[in-house]
Amino acid sequence: EAQVTQNPRYLITVTGKKLTVTCSQNMNHEYMSWYRQDPGLGLRQIYYSMNVEVTDKGDVPEGYKVSRKEKRNFPLILESPSPNQTSLYFCASSLSGRAFFGQGTRLTVV
Amino acid sequence: QKEVEQNSGPLSVPEGAIASLNCTYSDRGSQSFFWYRQYSGKSPELIMFIYSNGDKEDGRFTAQLNKASQYVSLLIRDSQPSDSATYLCAVIWPLIFGKGTRLHILP
Repeated sequence: EAQVTQNPRYLITVTGKKLTVTCSQNMNHEYMSWYRQDPGLGLRQIYYSMNVEVTDKGDVPEGYKVSRKEKRNFPLILESPSPNQTSLYFCASSLSGRAFFGQGTRLTVV
Repeated sequence: QKEVEQNSGPLSVPEGAIASLNCTYSDRGSQSFFWYRQYSGKSPELIMFIYSNGDKEDGRFTAQLNKASQYVSLLIRDSQPSDSATYLCAVIWPLIFGKGTRLHILP
C-alpha cells in the first residue's frame, strides 16, 4: 500500500529539548516536503526536497532543519523547540504535484 | 515567491446545489494546478488536477483553469453533506497551497 508514515502522531515537549519527527514514503517519490498548519494560516511550507541531498527552504524555515540522505526518508529536526512551534505538522511526498500526506504530528512545546 | 490566494469562507451551500470554489495564483509560469480536500483533523487528499485551459470533469467535480486570468476554480455539483470540508488549491513547483476555503453544505 502506497503510504507516507510520520512519527510520532502526538508529542508534548519542553522548550529547548531537541526533537526529530520522522517521515518515510514507500512510493519512490523524488519530491518530499514538510508543512505546518495553524488555524487561519493554512498549510505553510517549511522545507522541501526535490531529490536526495537537495533541500530548500520554504516559507517558514526558521527553527527547523531537514536532511535527505536517502530517497524514502525526510526527517524534520527542531534543535531547540520554542512554544511558537506548537502546531500540526504534515509530511508529504509527491509525483508531478499529486501529493500523498502523512497522518500528521501534533506538537506541543511548553 | 509564488502565492496562491483563496477566500477563506465559510461558504455555505444548500444540499443538492452547486458549490463554486475559486483560487488565484501569482506566477504566470505555473503549469499545473491541484485541488485537495481536507476534513477536520485529517490529512489533505487530492481530488482533482488540471494542466490545460478549460474544464476537466470527474464525477460531480469540475475543475476550470483560465491561465490568462490566472485563476482556477472547482465546481461541486449536487453537493452532499459529506462534501463539507476545507478545499485547498495548490500549484507546483515547489508544491505550495492556498489557505483553503471552508465549505459547509446545509442539509
